Parts: sequence; C-alpha cells; structure tokens
Amino acid sequence: NAGVMQNPRHLVRRRGQEARLRCSPMKGHSHVYWYRQLPEEGLKFMVYLQKENIIDESGMPKERFSAEFPKEGPSILRIQQVVRGDSAAYFCASSTRERHNGEQYFGPGTRLTVT
Amino acid sequence: AQTVTQSQPEMSVQEAETVTLSCTYDTSESNYYLFWYKQPPSRQMILVIRQEAYKQQNATENRFSVNFQKAAKSFSLKISDSQLGDTAMYFCAFMSTRDFGNEKLTFGTGTRLTIIP
Repeated sequence: NAGVMQNPRHLVRRRGQEARLRCSPMKGHSHVYWYRQLPEEGLKFMVYLQKENIIDESGMPKERFSAEFPKEGPSILRIQQVVRGDSAAYFCASSTRERHNGEQYFGPGTRLTVT
Repeated sequence: AQTVTQSQPEMSVQEAETVTLSCTYDTSESNYYLFWYKQPPSRQMILVIRQEAYKQQNATENRFSVNFQKAAKSFSLKISDSQLGDTAMYFCAFMSTRDFGNEKLTFGTGTRLTIIP
C-alpha cells in the first residue's frame, strides 16, 4: 500500500514563473490537506479538499495560489507568478473520513526554491 | 482560533537519558485531538503519538509517552531511553473536532532535539 506521494520533490522556479505541485493521496483516501513550512518554522495549514470540492481554504493566500482535487488524478497546488517568499516546503496529507480519528498521513513534501 | 506554543526552540540530551518536550495550547473547545510529530532531517513528517482530549489516560507508544493536563492546556512529550535516531524536530499539533470531517492541524513552531552520543 503506497503512502502519500508528492512530486516533484524539489522544484526550482525563477521569479514570475508558475509552480505546480502534485499530491497523490493514499489509496482509499478522499481527503487532502496542504500545508506550507517556511524555513525554521512549523507547518501552516493552507487548504482542505475533497474530490472535486474545496472545503476549507482559510489558510490560502488570497492571490496567486489555487488548489484542486479532480475526480481523477492527483491534487494540484498551483502558485502563479512565484516570488522569493514562496520558497518553502509544501506538504500534503491525506485521510479517510470514515475513521475521523485525526490520523493524517503525510507525503515527503516538495521543496520549492524561487531564484 | 487555536494556538499551539512550544517554548523550547532547542534541546539536547545524552543518549539513553530521558527528555521532556513542552507544549501548551489555547482553545475554548472541550473535545479535540493533540499530536506529536517528528520531522527528521529527511523532512518526512512522522506521527509519534496521539491523545484524545476526552480520554483522561495519558497515551503511550513504546518509549514515548505524554503528560496531558487538560485544565492547564498542557501536553508534554517524554522520550525515555533516548536514541540517536530520535534526533529530529518535534512538533506539537492540535486538531479541533468542531467541524466534522475537517481535520486540519494547527502546529507549534517546533523543538529541535539533538541526542548526543
């Protein structure tokens, strides 16, 4: 049973380019959470998605950031016109609603570097 | 909004000793979950231990145990017989149960633990 997969593991973008981060949840999981970890800080919640729905985007910056979780395929976190301050590690986690015991499974993260 | 505070940015301890990491949180809710996550240099987030607020008994997982003081809103992690592989960042996290199905986590800023050989 494969765990949560994220790709790419490392992504380098120049200022102004777009970054696309992908997350494939664990098999059978329909809930995906994205978190951002700035250097030397803890993880901060960004967005919670279920298949084809954004449930909670209270942690998403208002501009340039978007997320989706289509019926088929991975969840995508998209950052348009990246700036240096977007450099961070981005983690996704998945869970299954049926258990609702707070257990989230984290992917290995994508480290985004903006030059 | 909930907040999680870890007041020890760094700690170090000799191998085989016991170490306690502190965490306090603020919430007006009566039922919730608390977690300790470990982040080794690989950056993978690993769940160490989980506590449900309505359970009075402190959770334990092998060498890891918690001291959960609900009234004081304190949730410390004790690592017994520490090992070199315990060297990592440790994050305390809070999860509300108010919005059923929404399990977003609120993290503290972390404690960097170094086990000295």
